[in-house]
Amino acid sequence: ETGVTQTPRHLVMGMTNKKSLKCEQHLGHNAMYWYKQSAKKPLELMFVYSLEERVENNSVPSRFSPECPNSSHLFLHLHTLQPEDSALYLCASSQGRRGGPDTQYFGPGTRLTVL
Amino acid sequence: AQSVAQPEDQVNVAEGNPLTVKCTYSVSGNPYLFWYVQYPNRGLQFLLKYITGDNLVKGSYGFEAEFNKSQTSFHLKKPSALVSDSALYVCAVRVYYNTDKLIFGTGTRLQVFP
Repeated sequence: ETGVTQTPRHLVMGMTNKKSLKCEQHLGHNAMYWYKQSAKKPLELMFVYSLEERVENNSVPSRFSPECPNSSHLFLHLHTLQPEDSALYLCASSQGRRGGPDTQYFGPGTRLTVL
Repeated sequence: AQSVAQPEDQVNVAEGNPLTVKCTYSVSGNPYLFWYVQYPNRGLQFLLKYITGDNLVKGSYGFEAEFNKSQTSFHLKKPSALVSDSALYVCAVRVYYNTDKLIFGTGTRLQVFP
């Protein structure tokens, strides 16, 4: 798991707080992803960045705001979340070759609890 | 609609016995198929993938998967289960629209009993 790291690993926040999740990949990849994992549901793709450009926004509420300052770093800024946003947030990266069989490599995730 | 189905929420196996975790898919065109494993409070770890060629794909930790085009399946197998194999196993298929995406199944929890 040293290829993709995420901090913090656990986060508890109130609905009025502002916090940020950080992801860093050490694999030299060009694409990065944010996913939400809730119990007994498939992983939900939230955002995709390719070469630092956002190429996918999967109808995610505006209280989630991504930022990709360079190809190695990805942030997810959180603001006025709801209790139903409590989940495991996973970051992933891949080489980003369009149409190719690239493997996505995942970080360990941030377990978010919204009170 | 493109989708992945894992029909079993949980699979129970005795240690030393063979295991199978099922996955079926629905996708237009030739599929790229993946298996990941997730241990508690951890991210997904890549096990193996099918791109083309030999229908039997070998992966990490002694796992293998068999691609069956006529049945649109990609079942994960291991000849002899270990207690340490107990985890959530997630199947995924790659699709391409304007970006590359993975569509994931809901996962199957494998419990291996001593």
